[in-house]
Amino acid sequence: AQKITQTQPGMFVQEKEAVTLDCTYDTSDPSYGLFWYKQPSSGEMIFLIYQGSYDQQNATEGRYSLNFQKARKSANLVISASQLGDSAMYFCAMRENNNAGNMLTFGGGTRLMVKP
Amino acid sequence: DTGVSQDPRHKITKRGQNVTFRCDPISEHNRLYWYRQTLGQGPEFLTYFQNEAQLEKSRLLSDRFSAERPKGSFSTLEIQRTEQGDSAMYLCASSLGTVNQPQHFGDGTRLSIL
Repeated sequence: AQKITQTQPGMFVQEKEAVTLDCTYDTSDPSYGLFWYKQPSSGEMIFLIYQGSYDQQNATEGRYSLNFQKARKSANLVISASQLGDSAMYFCAMRENNNAGNMLTFGGGTRLMVKP
Repeated sequence: DTGVSQDPRHKITKRGQNVTFRCDPISEHNRLYWYRQTLGQGPEFLTYFQNEAQLEKSRLLSDRFSAERPKGSFSTLEIQRTEQGDSAMYLCASSLGTVNQPQHFGDGTRLSIL
């Protein structure tokens, strides 16, 4: 079974509007972390936001927020006030504490395209 | 704070040749990771080091792949007898040892096998 599922291969959003990128995960580890990364066409992976499984509040970082629904095993990324520079691939990733080295398992990504 | 540095950015080689990539992590980070990313996919974990010790290498794709981190600073990833299927982006990341710390990635090395 896929550990991280991103069901939206591509998304369009109008500039200045908000957009939600979906991520569901599968783990039996009670302690885990969820990460979102942005990958522009230039290729670098840019860390955006982190949510720990025991965190009581949803994470926020500037225009990024994470809608964490633990019972549903979802960790959707919300980008508010989209900008043209937000056009990129977005990856959801999970780190399970029971795996050696805390490696990240990534989803297949969502390509976000911001329209002017 | 300089970021993770990878060299070269691009490597084109003929099938059957050996290639070596270098990664310089963020200086205070004791953990270093290698990932491979093929076109249209998310990165796939290969191996990781804590300081100079390679603590997980079962995910290396074959015995043609090896990695070192001799003094706990920079790391190298070597692919011997390259094959067409090795064409991919090879990403290095580093992090602090605490579990909630994100991994910071370099720009990657894009390998093309002719």
